Amino acid sequence: QVHLQESGPGLVKPSETLSLTCNVSGYSITSGYYWGWIRQPPGKGLEWIGSIHHSGTTYHNPSLKSRLTGSVDTSKNQFSLKMTFVTAADTAVYFCARSMAAVSAFDYWGQGALVTVSS
Amino acid sequence: SYVLTQPPSVSVAPGKTAKISCGGDTIGGKAVQWYQQKPGQAPALVISFDSDRPSGIPERFSGSNSGNTATLTISRVEVGDEADYYCQVWDTVKDHVVFGGGTKLTVL
Repeated sequence: QVHLQESGPGLVKPSETLSLTCNVSGYSITSGYYWGWIRQPPGKGLEWIGSIHHSGTTYHNPSLKSRLTGSVDTSKNQFSLKMTFVTAADTAVYFCARSMAAVSAFDYWGQGALVTVSS
Repeated sequence: SYVLTQPPSVSVAPGKTAKISCGGDTIGGKAVQWYQQKPGQAPALVISFDSDRPSGIPERFSGSNSGNTATLTISRVEVGDEADYYCQVWDTVKDHVVFGGGTKLTVL
């Protein structure tokens, strides 16, 4: 059974960098699929952040692209996201998820990690 | 950028049929995914590629897509279907994922 688990700082100060990691179990990241990040501000809808393939191919939300860096660690079977210069508007639950291709549905999701941006 | 429009809320009585729309410019030419999200939980895929049901999703859930509107249909609605529902597509112009704003389904 595929399982995804997010880990992150919980609290980040404004203007600092948010770092999140998604640990994948039950499936090898190098076997294919894209690995994505989606966030949800409190009480609001879903917003896609970006998706990455273990080969290095990445797609990012154009509105966030300049602040994002994605990476894959195949030795740990995990992928990560860094978002720079965060503001209160970046406060959200961050989900990691799997999709067969960049254009496909997200079939497995992590439980989500709440990140609050506050001084 | 590509915009998906969903009604904020839909209400239906138990046992009846709920239809949730997702509007977008020529969305009929795109593959539409639908997710169900219950409070405090991660979204769960209920329909992929317009009308495919993943394993474990009841046959009561179905999808269609044509013209400028995709529709998620839930037949014989149950209290447990009460949730937020999101549609999603891939924007081929800007190469990115787009989500609709979400629809809250209330089972009266």
